[in-house]
Amino acid sequence: DTAVSQTPKYLVTQMGNDKSIKCEQNLGHDTMYWYKQDSKKFLKIMFSYNNKELIINETVPNRFSPKSPDKAHLNLHINSLELGDSAVYFCASSQVQTKNIQYFGAGTRLSVL
Amino acid sequence: AQKVTQAQTEISVVEKEDVTLDCVYETRDTTYYLFWYKQPPSGELVFLIRRNSFDEQNEISGRYSWNFQKSTSSFNFTITASQVVDSAVYFCALSENSGAGSYQLTFGKGTKLSVIP
Repeated sequence: DTAVSQTPKYLVTQMGNDKSIKCEQNLGHDTMYWYKQDSKKFLKIMFSYNNKELIINETVPNRFSPKSPDKAHLNLHINSLELGDSAVYFCASSQVQTKNIQYFGAGTRLSVL
Repeated sequence: AQKVTQAQTEISVVEKEDVTLDCVYETRDTTYYLFWYKQPPSGELVFLIRRNSFDEQNEISGRYSWNFQKSTSSFNFTITASQVVDSAVYFCALSENSGAGSYQLTFGKGTKLSVIP
């Protein structure tokens, strides 16, 4: 059983479209995250979400919005996609009781044409 | 602001050699956590180790060992008798309390390790 799962694994779309990436964790964790890995492999936090409190990295454009229907899910919605949004997006989850170790999904490779 | 520096961009070693990956960090927090993650060519991020700022004991896990030195703000990772399967990008990361139980990771830029048979 995959602990943190993301769908889709690959996403190819045109500039200007709106798309979503889904993330689910079955670890019972209470905090979930989204990270972006650019073409140079640099990983940067986008959002973290805990107990309905959203913490946003100030550099993230407001075209990106996380949505959490419940504690096990944190989906990422992206509006008006731009070429620069092409990257690998990773979802992760953690729990204070397990020493805040973040477990990552396999990543979603987004290509904007 | 927190910062993690991995000065080695790429390292190549011959199989069975030992290799050390360097990590230097900056933080104003007195309590913090340090991590190493491995990203193999398949792309997933694999957790290797977590160390908190109050525990300076070195740790060994099989061929892997970690040296945490608070005095020099370093958390180096050594692979002994490297194998081809160790080829990957290795990330050092620092965790800060972002509030509400959230601990966001600040990553270094990664070190790409190539182990040549």
